[in-house]
Amino acid sequence: QKEVEQNSGPLSVPEGAIASLNCTYSDRGSQSFFWYRQYSGKSPELIMFIYSNGDKEDGRFTAQLNKASQYVSLLIRDSQPSDSATYLCAVKAGSQGNLIFGKGTKLSVKP
Amino acid sequence: DAGVIQSPRHEVTEMGQEVTLRCKPISGHNSLFWYRQTMMRGLELLIYFNNNVPIDDSGMPEDRFSAKMPNASFSTLKIQPSEPRDSAVYFCASSFMRGRGETQYFGPGTRLLVL
Repeated sequence: QKEVEQNSGPLSVPEGAIASLNCTYSDRGSQSFFWYRQYSGKSPELIMFIYSNGDKEDGRFTAQLNKASQYVSLLIRDSQPSDSATYLCAVKAGSQGNLIFGKGTKLSVKP
Repeated sequence: DAGVIQSPRHEVTEMGQEVTLRCKPISGHNSLFWYRQTMMRGLELLIYFNNNVPIDDSGMPEDRFSAKMPNASFSTLKIQPSEPRDSAVYFCASSFMRGRGETQYFGPGTRLLVL
């Protein structure tokens, strides 16, 4: 059974701080990794994807991947109250595979 | 682009009734996914289609659930008969499957309540 694990939170950070969200996965054959953001009552939307070891930066967001440790993380710099949402980690096994989602980490950014 | 379109947005029905959820993917996308989201189980893949062909339906809970994609612009998910434990938000998503990094775009979801 392929699994994606996330701390459910809630993770609470003050405005302007760095929020660190973590995810582990069980399938060593996983090739692509995605972070989705889901606001309450809304549908998930893609923030970033990564498939090479190391860091990938996009604005205030940085995704980090360590395939040896089967670990992927998302850092949000200068957190804003508008970043308050549930962040879903998703993993894809291969080019034809479907996504397996974690249950999400709820982030709360306090003004 | 209108994005992924789902209907109805909300559905309240009684146990035993048939429920049909509808999805129109983004034009040009070749893959379509049906998900179910609950607090307990999170976001679960039910079935996905590639070029209108079902590829993996291992997530379909039981024979009460069925899905079809008669053409590239329309898909249905049917529950017959419905049960209270089917209450959830059902999302449809589409993508253009071309390798490792394609994005799945989600529809607004259908909130289903079975009484």
